[in-house]
Amino acid sequence: AQKITQTQPGMFVQEKEAVTLDCTYDTSDPSYGLFWYKQPSSGEMIFLIYQGSYDQQNATEGRYSLNFQKARKSANLVISASQLGDSAMYFCAYRGYQKVTFGTGTKLQVIP
Amino acid sequence: SQTIHQWPATLVQPVGSPLSLECTVEGTSNPNLYWYRQAAGRGLQLLFYSVGIGQISSEVPQNLSASRPQDRQFILSSKKLLLSDSGFYLCAWRAPDTDTQYFGPGTRLTVL
Repeated sequence: AQKITQTQPGMFVQEKEAVTLDCTYDTSDPSYGLFWYKQPSSGEMIFLIYQGSYDQQNATEGRYSLNFQKARKSANLVISASQLGDSAMYFCAYRGYQKVTFGTGTKLQVIP
Repeated sequence: SQTIHQWPATLVQPVGSPLSLECTVEGTSNPNLYWYRQAAGRGLQLLFYSVGIGQISSEVPQNLSASRPQDRQFILSSKKLLLSDSGFYLCAWRAPDTDTQYFGPGTRLTVL
């Protein structure tokens, strides 16, 4: 079974600084996908970014980028120029066949 | 564009009462549908998923059940709620042959 690990329960970052949220996974699947979602206090899960296992380049979406290191089985999220509205829970997720498995999340707090 | 609806938004139910949560998707056909539960301060646990009408896969044995009576409708039910059923229930959809899951706004269930 696939396992996905987020080792940082909480992180602080100064406004306008960059922050990296860690995510590692364990799989023997030849093809898979990795996601990051943001969950603000309202509870909605907001899709941020996706990386396919065969994608040659790291995914980027605006201020979000995914640092994908396949050999190390890591898929860290980098948020550049943090904003106060970035304060939220962030979940890494692994997509296997038909199912997505979520990590336990990292609570990010942006300090003014 | 595709939208996903869940209702009710919040629900307070006594132990032993029945439950019915509804999820509908608009703007797509034959989506894969998912029910997740999130306990307070925790990650997401996949409960059920469906790849078509009447096709339900259960991930966790429990007193909950799911049904898909129509292509874009997914229902989560229980005959008798337990205290441990309290949580935040999220429905998600994924278009066939795509990777990303998109989530509904969620239902916050409190069992007293």
